[in-house]
Order: sequence, then C-alpha cells, then structure tokens
Amino acid sequence: AQSVTQLDSQVPVFEEAPVELRCNYSSSVSVYLFWYVQYPNQGLQLLLKYLSGSTLVESINGFEAEFNKSQTSFHLRKPSVHISDTAEYFCAVSEAGGYQKVTFGTGTKLQVIP
Amino acid sequence: GAVVSQHPSWVICKSGTSVKIECRSLDFQATTMFWYRQFPKQSLMLMATSNEGSKATYEQGVEKDKFLINHASLTLSTLTVTSAHPEDSSFYICSARDHGTDTQYFGPGTRLTVL
Repeated sequence: AQSVTQLDSQVPVFEEAPVELRCNYSSSVSVYLFWYVQYPNQGLQLLLKYLSGSTLVESINGFEAEFNKSQTSFHLRKPSVHISDTAEYFCAVSEAGGYQKVTFGTGTKLQVIP
Repeated sequence: GAVVSQHPSWVICKSGTSVKIECRSLDFQATTMFWYRQFPKQSLMLMATSNEGSKATYEQGVEKDKFLINHASLTLSTLTVTSAHPEDSSFYICSARDHGTDTQYFGPGTRLTVL
C-alpha cells in the first residue's frame, strides 16, 4: 500500500514570490506520482505527473516537481506565483502500472496574497 | 488532455430517494473507472473501482448495497446512491484510466445534497 504526506495544510505567499509545496510518499513498490489542482467547487485537474524517465517534470503554467527517490519526495515548486494560482493542491501516488488505484494526500491550500 | 464528464454537476434530493450519477470518458475508452467522495476541506477518499463488464471492487467501509456501481460500457460508469440520507451529502468525483497514457483523468464532480 502507498501513503502520501502533505505536511502543510495552508501556504500563504505573496504574489510573484516563489513557493514550494511539500509532498512525501511511502511505498514498497515502484510508483507514479501526481500533482492535482482543485479550484473552488470544481473537480481535480492534473497539473503534472511523473511516470518514468526525467525526474524533473513541468506543467504548462510554470509549476515543476522533482521526483527524489532517496528522499521519497515529490515537492511542487513555482518561481513566481500569480493570484490565479490560489487553489488546493493535492499530491497523489499510485503503484506503477496495474490498477492504478490512486492515494491522495490531504491537500495544501495555496493562498496567493496580492 | 483527455476529458471526463459527470452528470449532473449538482443535485438536491429528499431523504430516502435514490440518485444516479453518470461518469463518461469522452475521447478515450476506459476499462477502469474510479469513484471518490470528498467531504468539505478534506481529501478524496476512494470508494470503489469500477471495471467494465464486471463487478465493482469496493473499499473497506463502503456499503456496496448503498452505492451501486455499473460500468456497462467502455465510456460510461454510473454510481447510484440508494435511499440517500443527509450524511450522504458530499462531493462525488469519478476518474477514468486512460491506458494509452497510463494516467487517470478526473471528472468535474457532482455535488449531492440530501435534505
């Protein structure tokens, strides 16, 4: 079984400042890792994913995350946030291949302050 | 990316009635779909895994007779909340697995309110 820990429930940050949302996972097998974003009263949108290959993955809106197997982490970063980035961010893990049952972290609410 | 739709987006019903929620993969075939529920300010909790043409696999603590799941085609799975009660009020989200990209895509969710 897999588990995900998002240590920060809320992260306030000023507009145009950098941000890092932390995510650590636990698994005894190879995993896929995901970051999803949820805007108020909406479903989840896939932000980026790591399946294999390069450990640094990027999204189209400037976010990036790096898979660190030794530290079992998949932290999400953005060098300069915008007001529109205010949302809840969920880190998730699934067993590589197979049924892909996804386990979610408890979420981190990113609040961008103007 | 791939698109998953849910219908309805929100529903209000009386206690004791049944509600059906549809989940469709619009541009890919999904042999596996998943149903989650999300309580306010909490993460998503997997309820069941739905496999096309076979019975759903329910997570521990989820009543299979209360939450009926049918996955009759490669693009449609339905969740029926039977004899709904106020404590069933929640945000229900489905996802579909795209085998081509080995990724799950999520629907926009259905907000159920039981009065």
